Amino acid sequence: GAVVSQHPSWVICKSGTSVKIECRSLDFQATTMFWYRQFPKQSLMLMATSNEGSKATYEQGVEKDKFLINHASLTLSTLTVTSAHPEDSSFYICSARDQSNQPQHFGDGTRLSIL
Amino acid sequence: DAKTTQPTSMDCAEGRAANLPCNHSTISGNEYVYWYRQIHSQGPQYIIHGLKNNETNEMASLIITEDRKSSTLILPHATLRDTAVYYCILTNFGNEKLTFGTGTRLTIIP
Repeated sequence: GAVVSQHPSWVICKSGTSVKIECRSLDFQATTMFWYRQFPKQSLMLMATSNEGSKATYEQGVEKDKFLINHASLTLSTLTVTSAHPEDSSFYICSARDQSNQPQHFGDGTRLSIL
Repeated sequence: DAKTTQPTSMDCAEGRAANLPCNHSTISGNEYVYWYRQIHSQGPQYIIHGLKNNETNEMASLIITEDRKSSTLILPHATLRDTAVYYCILTNFGNEKLTFGTGTRLTIIP
């Protein structure tokens, strides 16, 4: 149980394009989803927290207009990297949990490369 | 701020028990100890968590000292697939955030 699926697993695109990443909870309802970013040889950094049906809460230093998060249902959250540039190249990972007293379960990540 | 301290790396022989320590001397009364691991190029995997009592599940055991200032994750019979970076994280129930430190890179040696 507690499976989180992330799609796509990797994407390469040109600078200036927008990229959408999907995060789905397959066997539970995720009241809260989280988006992390991990640069090479570094640890995961939380970007934002989203609760179903409400606006995401972004961590300090994360541009909300550049990283658009939508959590329209209890099983799906999306992260859109708008006007992506090479410095946005990273490993993006989502997690989800159903209740506040349950662990977060993570997707397998999306490796984004901007040329 | 790092709230937990872990060794940078450890090796363990295949088939032996892997004991991963974590220091959290400033832990507060309502903080839980969580362990996750990240295998290369994958998302983190939840292992186990605890508050005061020792915990065991199908993956591992968690031993928390009586003063709660340190803990040890035990993988009873390590296999090559247990090679990963292991993260010890403190969080409150209801606290939204998991703050990942640098973790311990565990290498299981054949």
